[in-house]
Amino acid sequence: NAGVMQNPRHLVRRRGQEARLRCSPMKGHSHVYWYRQLPEEGLKFMVYLQKENIIDESGMPKERFSAEFPKEGPSILRIQQVVRGDSAAYFCASSPGRAATNEKLFFGSGTQLSVL
Amino acid sequence: QQQVKQSPQSLIVQKGGISIINCAYENTAFDYFPWYQQFPGKGPALLIAIRPDVSEKKEGRFTISFNKSAKQFSLHIMDSQPGDSATYFCAAKGLGGTSYGKLTFGQGTILTVHP
Repeated sequence: NAGVMQNPRHLVRRRGQEARLRCSPMKGHSHVYWYRQLPEEGLKFMVYLQKENIIDESGMPKERFSAEFPKEGPSILRIQQVVRGDSAAYFCASSPGRAATNEKLFFGSGTQLSVL
Repeated sequence: QQQVKQSPQSLIVQKGGISIINCAYENTAFDYFPWYQQFPGKGPALLIAIRPDVSEKKEGRFTISFNKSAKQFSLHIMDSQPGDSATYFCAAKGLGGTSYGKLTFGQGTILTVHP
């Protein structure tokens, strides 16, 4: 029973390039969250998605960042025209989607984005 | 108002000792308080969680103490082991009682347990 799968583990981009981070939730989970962790800080909520729907994107920067969770395939966090300040660990989490357990998050191992 | 403040930033404990990590919050709408454990290169993993209707929850060597009036909660690790060395994050769920996992995290505590 695989956990939350994120890839790539490490991603290096030059300023101005695009970064695509992928996340496959745990089997049976239909809800996906993206969090960002800056060095020596806690995780910050970015976005919450269900299949084909963005439910809450209140933590997502208004520009350059977007997220999707299509009907088929993994969730994608896309960062356009990356800047050095985007360098961070990006974690994906999933939850079962049932009200009683929807707050229990299972995290992937993260993608470390480095912008040169 | 959305912050969760965690202390200490780092903690060193001898094997067999008690590790105590504290968190404080401002928003009284928070209604779920989990603790996560993170090892280097890994994602956070849920350790234990509590709701504000109880003052204490124990699971094995891990105990959460919750003080609703003071808006504080803490994690106690009894009989600390070298394998407990990790970063610990407290968190609180959402605003206004959201039913999903929108968590506000503390800044983290790096725990080192010496053998």
